[in-house]
Amino acid sequence: ETGVTQTPRHLVMGMTNKKSLKCEQHLGHNAMYWYKQSAKKPLELMFVYSLEERVENNSVPSRFSPECPNSSHLFLHLHTLQPEDSALYLCASSQDTLGYEQYFGPGTRLTVT
Amino acid sequence: TQLLEQSPQFLSIQEGENLTVYCNSSSVFSSLQWYRQEPGEGPVLLVTVVTGGEVKKLKRLTFQFGDARKDSSLHITAAQPGDTGLYLCAGAVETGANNLFFGTGTRLTVIP
Repeated sequence: ETGVTQTPRHLVMGMTNKKSLKCEQHLGHNAMYWYKQSAKKPLELMFVYSLEERVENNSVPSRFSPECPNSSHLFLHLHTLQPEDSALYLCASSQDTLGYEQYFGPGTRLTVT
Repeated sequence: TQLLEQSPQFLSIQEGENLTVYCNSSSVFSSLQWYRQEPGEGPVLLVTVVTGGEVKKLKRLTFQFGDARKDSSLHITAAQPGDTGLYLCAGAVETGANNLFFGTGTRLTVIP
Protein backbone atom coordinates (compact mmCIF):
# COMPACT_ATOMS: atom_id res chain seq x y z
CA GLU A 1 0.00 0.00 0.00
CA THR A 2 1.38 3.41 -0.94
CA GLY A 3 0.49 7.02 -0.23
CA VAL A 4 -2.18 7.97 2.29
CA THR A 5 -5.05 5.62 3.06
CA GLN A 6 -8.22 6.30 5.00
CA THR A 7 -10.85 3.97 6.42
CA PRO A 8 -13.73 3.74 6.27
CA ARG A 9 -14.51 5.48 2.98
CA HIS A 10 -18.14 5.98 3.98
CA LEU A 11 -19.70 6.15 7.43
CA VAL A 12 -23.26 6.73 8.57
CA MET A 13 -23.73 7.24 12.29
CA GLY A 14 -26.39 8.39 14.69
CA MET A 15 -25.90 11.34 16.98
CA THR A 16 -25.35 9.09 20.01
CA ASN A 17 -22.80 6.77 18.38
CA LYS A 18 -19.06 6.65 18.90
CA LYS A 19 -16.90 5.92 15.88
CA SER A 20 -13.32 6.45 14.76
CA LEU A 21 -11.75 7.42 11.45
CA LYS A 22 -8.35 6.00 10.62
CA CYS A 23 -5.58 7.40 8.47
CA GLU A 24 -2.27 5.77 7.57
CA GLN A 25 0.58 7.24 5.57
CA HIS A 26 3.32 5.19 3.92
CA LEU A 27 5.47 8.15 2.84
CA GLY A 28 7.78 8.51 5.83
CA HIS A 29 6.38 11.96 6.59
CA ASN A 30 6.58 13.67 9.96
CA ALA A 31 3.41 15.78 9.83
CA MET A 32 -0.22 14.71 9.57
CA TYR A 33 -3.43 16.71 9.29
CA TRP A 34 -7.20 16.38 9.58
CA TYR A 35 -9.38 18.59 7.36
CA LYS A 36 -13.14 18.96 7.08
CA GLN A 37 -14.64 19.65 3.67
CA SER A 38 -18.30 20.63 3.50
CA ALA A 39 -20.31 21.43 0.40
CA LYS A 40 -19.78 25.00 -0.78
CA LYS A 41 -17.24 25.76 1.98
CA PRO A 42 -13.45 26.07 1.82
CA LEU A 43 -11.29 23.30 3.17
CA GLU A 44 -11.18 23.67 6.97
CA LEU A 45 -8.05 22.66 8.87
CA MET A 46 -8.98 20.84 12.09
CA PHE A 47 -5.78 19.43 13.60
CA VAL A 48 -2.06 19.35 12.86
CA TYR A 49 0.40 16.83 14.27
CA SER A 50 4.16 17.10 13.96
CA LEU A 51 6.26 14.17 15.15
CA GLU A 52 3.20 12.79 16.97
CA GLU A 53 2.62 16.01 18.91
CA ARG A 54 -0.45 18.16 18.28
CA VAL A 55 0.73 21.58 17.17
CA GLU A 56 -2.55 23.16 16.14
CA ASN A 57 -6.18 22.79 17.09
CA ASN A 58 -8.38 25.21 15.18
CA SER A 59 -11.16 25.66 17.75
CA VAL A 60 -12.65 22.30 16.92
CA PRO A 61 -15.52 21.10 19.17
CA SER A 62 -14.54 18.52 21.77
CA ARG A 63 -16.82 15.94 20.15
CA PHE A 64 -13.89 15.50 17.73
CA SER A 65 -10.86 13.95 19.42
CA PRO A 66 -7.67 13.26 17.47
CA GLU A 67 -5.03 10.68 18.31
CA CYS A 68 -1.60 10.18 16.77
CA PRO A 69 0.04 7.06 18.24
CA ASN A 70 3.00 7.25 15.83
CA SER A 71 4.09 9.24 12.81
CA SER A 72 2.36 6.87 10.38
CA HIS A 73 -1.09 6.70 11.95
CA LEU A 74 -3.71 9.28 12.77
CA PHE A 75 -7.18 8.74 14.20
CA LEU A 76 -10.20 10.99 14.61
CA HIS A 77 -12.53 9.79 17.36
CA LEU A 78 -16.12 10.93 16.96
CA HIS A 79 -18.65 11.18 19.79
CA THR A 80 -22.19 12.65 19.93
CA LEU A 81 -21.92 14.39 16.60
CA GLN A 82 -24.47 16.77 15.12
CA PRO A 83 -26.05 16.61 11.64
CA GLU A 84 -24.01 19.67 10.62
CA ASP A 85 -20.87 17.58 11.15
CA SER A 86 -21.75 15.61 8.02
CA ALA A 87 -18.91 16.23 5.58
CA LEU A 88 -15.91 14.73 3.83
CA TYR A 89 -13.06 14.28 6.32
CA LEU A 90 -9.67 14.35 4.70
CA CYS A 91 -6.37 13.23 6.13
CA ALA A 92 -3.10 14.54 4.74
CA SER A 93 0.59 14.18 5.44
CA SER A 94 3.68 16.20 4.56
CA GLN A 95 7.41 15.99 5.14
CA ASP A 96 7.01 18.48 7.96
CA THR A 97 4.80 21.45 8.75
CA LEU A 98 7.02 24.04 7.04
CA GLY A 99 4.78 24.55 4.03
CA TYR A 100 5.76 21.39 2.20
CA GLU A 101 3.35 19.84 -0.27
CA GLN A 102 0.60 17.84 1.35
CA TYR A 103 -0.50 14.40 0.21
CA PHE A 104 -4.13 13.61 0.82
CA GLY A 105 -6.04 10.45 1.42
CA PRO A 106 -9.32 9.78 -0.42
CA GLY A 107 -11.38 10.94 2.56
CA THR A 108 -14.18 9.51 4.66
CA ARG A 109 -17.67 10.64 3.68
CA LEU A 110 -19.47 11.01 7.02
CA THR A 111 -23.22 11.31 7.37
CA VAL A 112 -24.70 12.01 10.80
CA THR A 113 -28.37 11.11 11.10
CA THR B 1 -4.80 33.30 9.15
CA GLN B 2 -3.80 34.04 5.57
CA LEU B 3 -6.83 34.31 3.29
CA LEU B 4 -6.62 33.21 -0.33
CA GLU B 5 -9.57 34.11 -2.51
CA GLN B 6 -10.10 32.17 -5.72
CA SER B 7 -12.15 33.32 -8.67
CA PRO B 8 -14.35 32.39 -10.21
CA GLN B 9 -15.98 30.18 -7.60
CA PHE B 10 -17.76 28.12 -10.27
CA LEU B 11 -16.96 27.76 -13.96
CA SER B 12 -18.77 25.72 -16.59
CA ILE B 13 -17.32 25.67 -20.09
CA GLN B 14 -17.47 23.69 -23.31
CA GLU B 15 -14.77 21.22 -24.27
CA GLY B 16 -12.02 22.94 -26.25
CA GLU B 17 -12.38 26.35 -24.60
CA ASN B 18 -9.62 28.10 -22.66
CA LEU B 19 -9.98 29.33 -19.09
CA THR B 20 -8.08 31.07 -16.32
CA VAL B 21 -8.51 30.64 -12.57
CA TYR B 22 -7.16 33.22 -10.15
CA CYS B 23 -5.84 32.96 -6.60
CA ASN B 24 -5.37 36.25 -4.76
CA SER B 25 -4.21 37.29 -1.32
CA SER B 26 -2.84 40.29 0.53
CA SER B 27 -0.22 38.05 2.14
CA VAL B 28 3.19 37.13 0.76
CA PHE B 29 3.93 33.43 0.41
CA SER B 30 7.23 31.59 0.19
CA SER B 31 5.66 29.25 -2.35
CA LEU B 32 2.28 28.45 -3.80
CA GLN B 33 0.80 25.09 -4.64
CA TRP B 34 -2.09 24.10 -6.91
CA TYR B 35 -4.18 20.99 -6.28
CA ARG B 36 -7.02 19.34 -8.20
CA GLN B 37 -9.69 17.34 -6.44
CA GLU B 38 -11.97 14.99 -8.35
CA PRO B 39 -15.36 13.94 -6.96
CA GLY B 40 -15.06 11.39 -4.16
CA GLU B 41 -11.28 11.77 -3.86
CA GLY B 42 -8.77 13.88 -1.95
CA PRO B 43 -6.88 16.79 -3.53
CA VAL B 44 -3.84 15.88 -5.63
CA LEU B 45 -0.88 18.19 -5.99
CA LEU B 46 -0.39 19.56 -9.52
CA VAL B 47 2.51 21.98 -9.13
CA THR B 48 4.48 24.17 -6.75
CA VAL B 49 5.75 27.61 -7.76
CA VAL B 50 8.44 29.23 -5.66
CA THR B 51 9.93 32.29 -7.36
CA GLY B 52 8.05 35.54 -7.99
CA GLY B 53 7.13 35.72 -11.68
CA GLU B 54 7.74 32.00 -12.18
CA VAL B 55 5.79 30.22 -14.90
CA LYS B 56 5.40 26.45 -14.99
CA LYS B 57 3.72 24.38 -17.66
CA LEU B 58 2.16 20.97 -17.18
CA LYS B 59 0.85 19.83 -20.60
CA ARG B 60 -2.16 22.10 -21.23
CA LEU B 61 -1.95 23.77 -17.81
CA THR B 62 0.12 26.92 -17.24
CA PHE B 63 0.74 28.17 -13.71
CA GLN B 64 2.10 31.61 -12.86
CA PHE B 65 3.23 33.04 -9.55
CA GLY B 66 2.83 36.80 -9.19
CA ASP B 67 5.93 38.98 -9.04
CA ALA B 68 5.14 39.97 -5.44
CA ARG B 69 4.34 36.36 -4.49
CA LYS B 70 0.83 37.31 -3.35
CA ASP B 71 -1.18 35.83 -6.20
CA SER B 72 -1.21 33.11 -8.81
CA SER B 73 -3.11 32.03 -11.87
CA LEU B 74 -3.87 28.75 -13.58
CA HIS B 75 -4.60 28.78 -17.31
CA ILE B 76 -5.99 25.73 -19.07
CA THR B 77 -5.82 25.53 -22.85
CA ALA B 78 -8.35 23.48 -24.82
CA ALA B 79 -10.13 22.14 -21.75
CA GLN B 80 -11.20 18.51 -21.71
CA PRO B 81 -13.85 16.71 -19.64
CA GLY B 82 -11.03 15.11 -17.65
CA ASP B 83 -10.10 18.56 -16.35
CA THR B 84 -13.37 18.68 -14.41
CA GLY B 85 -12.80 19.05 -10.69
CA LEU B 86 -12.20 21.40 -7.79
CA TYR B 87 -9.01 23.44 -8.17
CA LEU B 88 -7.41 24.62 -4.93
CA CYS B 89 -4.48 26.95 -4.47
CA ALA B 90 -2.48 26.84 -1.24
CA GLY B 91 0.05 29.36 0.01
CA ALA B 92 2.99 28.40 2.19
CA VAL B 93 4.47 30.61 4.91
CA GLU B 94 7.61 30.05 6.93
CA THR B 95 6.34 30.85 10.43
CA GLY B 96 3.73 29.45 12.78
CA ALA B 97 2.58 25.96 13.65
CA ASN B 98 0.69 25.45 10.42
CA ASN B 99 2.34 26.75 7.30
CA LEU B 100 -0.01 25.95 4.42
CA PHE B 101 -3.25 27.84 3.81
CA PHE B 102 -5.80 26.68 1.27
CA GLY B 103 -7.86 28.92 -1.00
CA THR B 104 -11.62 28.97 -1.36
CA GLY B 105 -11.56 26.75 -4.47
CA THR B 106 -12.82 26.93 -8.07
CA ARG B 107 -15.18 24.22 -9.22
CA LEU B 108 -14.68 23.59 -12.94
CA THR B 109 -17.03 21.62 -15.15
CA VAL B 110 -16.02 20.90 -18.74
CA ILE B 111 -18.98 19.86 -20.86
CA PRO B 112 -18.28 17.40 -23.69
